[in-house]
Amino acid sequence: DVKVTQSSRYLVKRTGEKVFLECVQDMDHENMFWYRQDPGLGLRLIYFSYDVKMKEKGDIPEGYSVSREKKERFSLILESASTNQTSMYLCASSFPTSGSTDTQYFGPGTRLTVL
Amino acid sequence: AQSVAQPEDQVNVAEGNPLTVKCTYSVSGNPYLFWYVQYPNRGLQFLLKYITGDNLVKGSYGFEAEFNKSQTSFHLKKPSALVSDSALYFCAVRRINTDKLIFGTGTRLQVFP
Repeated sequence: DVKVTQSSRYLVKRTGEKVFLECVQDMDHENMFWYRQDPGLGLRLIYFSYDVKMKEKGDIPEGYSVSREKKERFSLILESASTNQTSMYLCASSFPTSGSTDTQYFGPGTRLTVL
Repeated sequence: AQSVAQPEDQVNVAEGNPLTVKCTYSVSGNPYLFWYVQYPNRGLQFLLKYITGDNLVKGSYGFEAEFNKSQTSFHLKKPSALVSDSALYFCAVRRINTDKLIFGTGTRLQVFP
């Protein structure tokens, strides 16, 4: 079974703090994604990585950055956390669509509260 | 522009009755469509997908979805609902020539005993 793990289920930070959210997948997937989930807005893509050290901005990258130094690990960084970044953050991974499947597999999520 | 819409925020159904969760899409070319489910305090789980072929797609937990090209819809269905089906359901479409998905806003399914 594919396993995507996220470093924390719940996180509480203060405004202005630097926040790191970590995601690890064990299926050798090339693609990794960070989404945020907000009620009534569904999932919105923050950043996408299609290989080590490669990244693309998603629909809402402002206030976020990412790092992918190893294939299995994709980190989301909030340089200076703000209250409007309070949300559920979901990581996902997949093979490229040229592969046998393009299903995205999700981690359990990190619920971040910024005070 | 590509998009996906889930017109109902919530669907209520009695246990044992059939259920439908609606999804419509807008995409140029042939769509790749997905349904995911999110149980409370969990990540999203893949249910089923339509890539090509038979318009009726069968997935996990007894769910199926019907692709209708003329109506640009991909409704999720189940013949007999269970209380344990209560969850948040997301429809998604793959963006053309990318590996990225566009998700709908989600529909909360409530199955009453």
